[in-house]
Amino acid sequence: ETGVTQSPTHLIKTRGQQVTLRCSSQSGHNTVSWYQQALGQGPQFIFQYYREEENGRGNFPPRFSGLQFPNYSSELNVNALELDDSALYLCASSPRGGNYGYTFGSGTRLTVV
Amino acid sequence: QKEVEQDPGPLSVPEGAIVSLNCTYSNSAFQYFMWYRQYSRKGPELLMYTYSSGNKEDGRFTAQVDKSSKYISLFIRDSQPSDSATYLCAMNMQGGSEKLVFGKGTKLTVNP
Repeated sequence: ETGVTQSPTHLIKTRGQQVTLRCSSQSGHNTVSWYQQALGQGPQFIFQYYREEENGRGNFPPRFSGLQFPNYSSELNVNALELDDSALYLCASSPRGGNYGYTFGSGTRLTVV
Repeated sequence: QKEVEQDPGPLSVPEGAIVSLNCTYSNSAFQYFMWYRQYSRKGPELLMYTYSSGNKEDGRFTAQVDKSSKYISLFIRDSQPSDSATYLCAMNMQGGSEKLVFGKGTKLTVNP
């Protein structure tokens, strides 16, 4: 059984650019959530996808968007990057309907310069 | 007031010590309580999961939830250098979005 895998592991982008981060969920998990973790902070909920539909969104602007594919993998897209978007982006998967805790990937470290 | 408060530490203890980590929260709707361990440059790893009030033990780890006080704890017995990590509390509500709300994390160092 594989865990949650994310790509790329590190990324450097320039302010104003766009970025796409990718996530493959753990086998058997049909729900994917994305979190942003700034340095020294706990993860902040961005949004969640279930059956390819957005199912809950945190306090993030519309330039943060996502997709979930039929195989439950997911993408996080961020447009018009700002310096404050520099953070660790974490993907987490879970089986739907069970608040059993989430399996997190190792994250993508995004640096905006 | 933040929904979840957690002392960020850092906390430094000798090997073999009992470690106590705590979080308080303000939203009485929280029903599910979790502790995650995060090593440097890694994603959080689920350690303990508790529903509502009570205690749960797993090896050297014990999680406690006191909903009347809106207070949760994680105890680590016989701490080891390999326990050195950041510990994050997290919680969410029954029904609705399965959004997790995290504390800031407490950085723990166990010295040999």
